Amino acid sequence: QKEVEQNSGPLSVPEGAIASLNCTYSDRGSQSFFWYRQYSGKSPELIMSIYSNGDKEDGRFTAQLNKASQYVSLLIRDSQPSDSATYLCAVNRRDTGRRALTFGSGTRLQVQP
Amino acid sequence: DTAVSQTPKYLVTQMGNDKSIKCEQNLGHDTMYWYKQDSKKFLKIMFSYNNKELIINETVPNRFSPKSPDKAHLNLHINSLELGDSAVYFCASSQTRDYGYTFGSGTRLTVV
Repeated sequence: QKEVEQNSGPLSVPEGAIASLNCTYSDRGSQSFFWYRQYSGKSPELIMSIYSNGDKEDGRFTAQLNKASQYVSLLIRDSQPSDSATYLCAVNRRDTGRRALTFGSGTRLQVQP
Repeated sequence: DTAVSQTPKYLVTQMGNDKSIKCEQNLGHDTMYWYKQDSKKFLKIMFSYNNKELIINETVPNRFSPKSPDKAHLNLHINSLELGDSAVYFCASSQTRDYGYTFGSGTRLTVV
């Protein structure tokens, strides 16, 4: 079982719709959760972080965390063609032996004009 | 001002050669990382340094050797390059483990 799992997609949504990206993780000790956006040929860019159960909103982005279900999601409202990219979920734990984010393999989002 | 800069951006080399990739961050972060991203976009941690001290050394062939002369620099030297080493290598830095990382622009390594 992979530590962080994402559907590879592509997830295709029309412009203006809500895109919903999902991620599950296996390590119950995980305590920090991040969403990165990566355009083709570019480096990952941090767009959201979330540390406690519930929702966290930032502009058109909402991150949702459910630690009991080991599930984190990202909602993108009013999707734009410029949102077309690969979205990477990453998790970390406060463990003295490990201090590096573990990434999922990403979900490719396509926003159709 | 580039926060995390890597050089070179592209590297094409023959099997068996030795090459180095350099990384520098001007964010004042205390931890730096090397990640490898394969053709399926999977990012895998290779090494992590905290204030020049190696703290993570994942299962990586010992042909790969990181070096951190100071907390703003983390270089990666690769000996005897193999075809399977072809990938994009990303350097990243963070202030603490609870914050997200800032990535460099990546080095696309192609071994022929």
